[in-house]
Amino acid sequence: GAVVSQHPSRVICKSGTSVKIECRSLDFQATTMFWYRQFPKQSLMLMATSNEGSKATYEQGVEKDKFLINHASLTLSTLTVTSAHPEDSSFYICSAGGSAPMNTEAFFGQGTRLTVV
Amino acid sequence: QKEVEQDPGPLSVPEGAIVSLNCTYSNSAFQYFMWYRQYSRKGPELLMYTYSSGNKEDGRFTAQVDKSSKYISLFIRDSQPSDSATYLCAMSLPSGNTPLVFGKGTRLSVIA
Repeated sequence: GAVVSQHPSRVICKSGTSVKIECRSLDFQATTMFWYRQFPKQSLMLMATSNEGSKATYEQGVEKDKFLINHASLTLSTLTVTSAHPEDSSFYICSAGGSAPMNTEAFFGQGTRLTVV
Repeated sequence: QKEVEQDPGPLSVPEGAIVSLNCTYSNSAFQYFMWYRQYSRKGPELLMYTYSSGNKEDGRFTAQVDKSSKYISLFIRDSQPSDSATYLCAMSLPSGNTPLVFGKGTRLSVIA
């Protein structure tokens, strides 16, 4: 199946700094990628939809100025957590979808565990 | 009412048991139904993928979709300790580039 690579898998940063997470589709072109956040023992919560070449669409309650998304190419989307705070500590996961019907079969990255201290 | 309901468990079964996992949903427009398995601190991996109603079997796994009841199931036969994970149901609309809607996930433990 398609492979999505997410990096880094784990990061610890100081409060107030920014962290960039990369999501790459390795063997297909992803016009759309999705970013999720998952708290312990909770389900995946969609944060935003990243569209290649255009602005991301954010879900209600997600601050677009805090969670910057860039989808500059068909194989790479990045999520930057700006001015991170301890409450931003979570598991962040990306998924990549191509054109329908493959898009409905989302492939996930390995996830990034962010700890803000 | 949430779009997708899934009992979070935890569900604990002995090795070799048949496991039944279920989700209900409210949006009758959903056409694609998936089951993902997520091990601790890992990204979800796709287990089963079905379109509209019916059954699909893959090895020890069987997925069932009953659109009339808005109910989907995943059965695991001859469960193994390696099946211990969180199982998430997910579904989506027929149009492209739409995000999946997930259930909360059911945590399963298979005891040797």
